Amino acid sequence: AQRVTQPEKLLSVFKGAPVELKCNYSYSGSPELFWYVQYSRQRLQLLLRHISRESIKGFTADLNKGETSFHLKKPFAQEEDSAMYYCALSGVENQGGKLIFGQGTELSVKP
Amino acid sequence: KAGVTQTPRYLIKTRGQQVTLSCSPISGHRSVSWYQQTPGQGLQFLFEYFSETQRNKGNFPGRFSGRQFSNSRSEMNVSTLELGDSALYLCASRAGGPYEQYFGPGTRLTVT
Repeated sequence: AQRVTQPEKLLSVFKGAPVELKCNYSYSGSPELFWYVQYSRQRLQLLLRHISRESIKGFTADLNKGETSFHLKKPFAQEEDSAMYYCALSGVENQGGKLIFGQGTELSVKP
Repeated sequence: KAGVTQTPRYLIKTRGQQVTLSCSPISGHRSVSWYQQTPGQGLQFLFEYFSETQRNKGNFPGRFSGRQFSNSRSEMNVSTLELGDSALYLCASRAGGPYEQYFGPGTRLTVT
């Protein structure tokens, strides 16, 4: 079964601390993995995708097929990073049109 | 470019009624996907339309249907509304191929 698991509903850190939001997936085919972010009162938007292998707003994520994980990391959290983060999966055969989302992790960065 | 727009933004309906939600994608985008977001189930995929054809479908009952027009605008319809259909309905558009989906602000549906 296709599934995305984000084990933490809420992650609270202090400004300047490292952040790691966990994401594990279950998928039998070739997955494309994404991180979406939703800031307060804003629409859902793409943060990064694994095939880009880029860093956005200081965040990075590496796809580990052996551990079926796609954890999101940032070395030094900022207050403006406070938001809801969703890990999402799409099968290559779906061409990105069908996203399977995790339950989301709320990140709270305290001053 | 203007972003994805959804109308109406808020809707209150009674059990048993039907509802139609509308989504206008970003100009040039041919794919529109619909999602249901609830506190309990999170974000769940409903269906995707590409060039007026349904290409993917999620695990929702037949009461949930959709369509796409030649200008790529899409509508979703829910018939015989149930209390459990209360949710935020999001649509997302993309250009096609493995490109990112751009989300609209959502339509908040409340069924009483």
